[in-house]
Amino acid sequence: NAGVTQTPKFRVLKTGQSMTLLCAQDMNHEYMYWYRQDPGMGLRLIHYSVGEGTTAKGEVPDGYNVSRLKKQNFLLGLESAAPSQTSVYFCASTMVGAADTQYFGPGTRLTVL
Amino acid sequence: AQKITQTQPGMFVQEKEAVTLDCTYDTSDPSYGLFWYKQPSSGEMIFLIYQGSYDQQNATEGRYSLNFQKARKSANLVISASQLGDSAMYFCAMRETDSWGKLQFGAGTQVVVTP
Repeated sequence: NAGVTQTPKFRVLKTGQSMTLLCAQDMNHEYMYWYRQDPGMGLRLIHYSVGEGTTAKGEVPDGYNVSRLKKQNFLLGLESAAPSQTSVYFCASTMVGAADTQYFGPGTRLTVL
Repeated sequence: AQKITQTQPGMFVQEKEAVTLDCTYDTSDPSYGLFWYKQPSSGEMIFLIYQGSYDQQNATEGRYSLNFQKARKSANLVISASQLGDSAMYFCAMRETDSWGKLQFGAGTQVVVTP
């Protein structure tokens, strides 16, 4: 049982390049989330999904797209990276119950030059 | 508007002493959940403790306890008998009803435990 995994762990991009971050969970969780963490700030929600084939915008969705083609996977895409997207990205998943905590992946550190 | 406020950016605490981390929240939802996470320097997010808005008793998990004062909208984390391994960033988060499980985080409190 690996929990929540993220690929890659580190990445450096040039402005304008694109990339996809992969999140996978093996806990059969319905809900999945992408957050970003910037220095001095808590985590902010980018996009989320409440089930296979569904996605929705969070607090800071601009510049990102997501897809949930399989229940266990949640992809975060940057079509044209900008320096403002330099951040640590966390994926999380949870069951549906109110008391269920979110389980987080180890994070991806992205630098956009 | 900021829904979770952590007013202490950083704290020093001596080993074996207790420390209280402040968290206040803002919601009009009668049903909500409050969470505390620990983020050590290695970067992962570790769940510590959960408090539901209708829970009658304060939550406890080992050395962690949550001082829940509903009328004051405060959910302070108490770490008893601090250890060097408790040095980390601590985040308070809230989940409201019908929010699809989304968490709203505070800015965090950096705790440094000294020998």
